This record gives sequence, C-alpha cells and structure tokens, in this order.
Amino acid sequence: AQTVTQSQPEMSVQEAETVTLSCTYDTSESDYYLFWYKQPPSRQMILVIRQEAYKQQNATENRFSVNFQKAAKSFSLKISDSQLGDAAMYFCAYRSNFGNEKLTFGTGTRLTIIP
Amino acid sequence: DTAVSQTPKYLVTQMGNDKSIKCEQNLGHDTMYWYKQDSKKFLKIMFSYNNKELIINETVPNRFSPKSPDKAHLNLHINSLELGDSAVYFCASSRTGGGYSNQPQHFGDGTRLSIL
Repeated sequence: AQTVTQSQPEMSVQEAETVTLSCTYDTSESDYYLFWYKQPPSRQMILVIRQEAYKQQNATENRFSVNFQKAAKSFSLKISDSQLGDAAMYFCAYRSNFGNEKLTFGTGTRLTIIP
Repeated sequence: DTAVSQTPKYLVTQMGNDKSIKCEQNLGHDTMYWYKQDSKKFLKIMFSYNNKELIINETVPNRFSPKSPDKAHLNLHINSLELGDSAVYFCASSRTGGGYSNQPQHFGDGTRLSIL
C-alpha cells in the first residue's frame, strides 16, 4: 500500500517570501500522479498543482511550483511571493494509475503567513 | 453552477440516530467518492463508485451505506451514529480511465457531522 508523509505539521513564512513544503511517498509503482491540495479555513479542498510521474519536467502554476524527485520519492511544493490568502492546510496526495483511483493523503501542513 | 454539492453543510444529531448526506455532481464525471476528515485533519477514502458500481470499500463499518441512484449522485447513509463518527465528510468526483487518468478529483465543500 502507498503511504504519503508530510513531516512538517506547521510552517510559517513572511508575506512576499518563499516557502517550501515537503512531501515524501512510498510506492512500488512506476506510473502514478501526485497532487497538492489547499484547504483554507472555509474547509474547501482546492487543487493547487498536479504532477504526472512519467513527466520529468516539474509542474508550475503561477506562484506555485513543485520539485519532483522520482528516485527519491519526494514531491515538495514551493510557494513564491507568499500572500495572506495562501494561509491554509496543504495536503500532498498520491493516486495510482492502476486499479482504483482513490487519493492517499499525507497528514497535512498548516501554513501561516506573517504580515 | 456548483460542480460538486453536498447537503447539508452542517449536521448536529444525537448518538444512535440515523442520518443521510447527499452529494450531486454536474461535471459529467463517472466516478464519485466519499472521504472522511477526522479531528486531526487526516483525510481517508471511505467509498468509491464508478457508474453506480461500488469499487472501493475501505474497512468502513457496516453502519455506513453508500447509495448511488445514478452516476451524478452518491449519498451516504449512516445508521446508529456513534461519537466517533463526528468528522467532516467530503464527497468528490472525477472522470477516470482511458485518457482521463491525470484528471484531478473535484471536492464538495464538506459536511461537518457532530454527534452529541
């Protein structure tokens, strides 16, 4: 079974600075997908960014980018120019490309933005 | 034009009662899911349905019974509610299989269930 580990329960960053959230995962599969979801206090689950394991190029979405290291099974999220609206819980998630399509989540990192 | 909608958003009830949470998606997706988020914010899959067929049942007590009348709806019925059932329940949907494997799951806003 796959597992996802987020070793940073809490992180904080000054507004306009850059922060990196860590995620590692364990799998024996070679084809899978990785996601970062954001959960603000409103409780919604919002997709931030996704990465296909077969793509070597790191995904980017505006101020959000990932550092995907397949051999190391690492998938960190970098947030540049942090804004107050980035304050939220961030969840890393794994999805296999075989069999069922469930998401396996990490335990989350609570990100605080300091004005 | 809500994509995945759950009702109710909040549910407060007493131990031993039976309750239902409804979920509907208008995205044309073929697969729907229920996740449970506990008090420590940990999210875990409970059930998944593909085209009205159950494909995932993750060691959830028999008191929980999902029902999918069609592929746009997946409801969750819970019998004999217990204190440990207090959590936020999220419905999600996605298009799966074929060339859609990279499509993300879209989540509803969650239902906070509180058992007194």
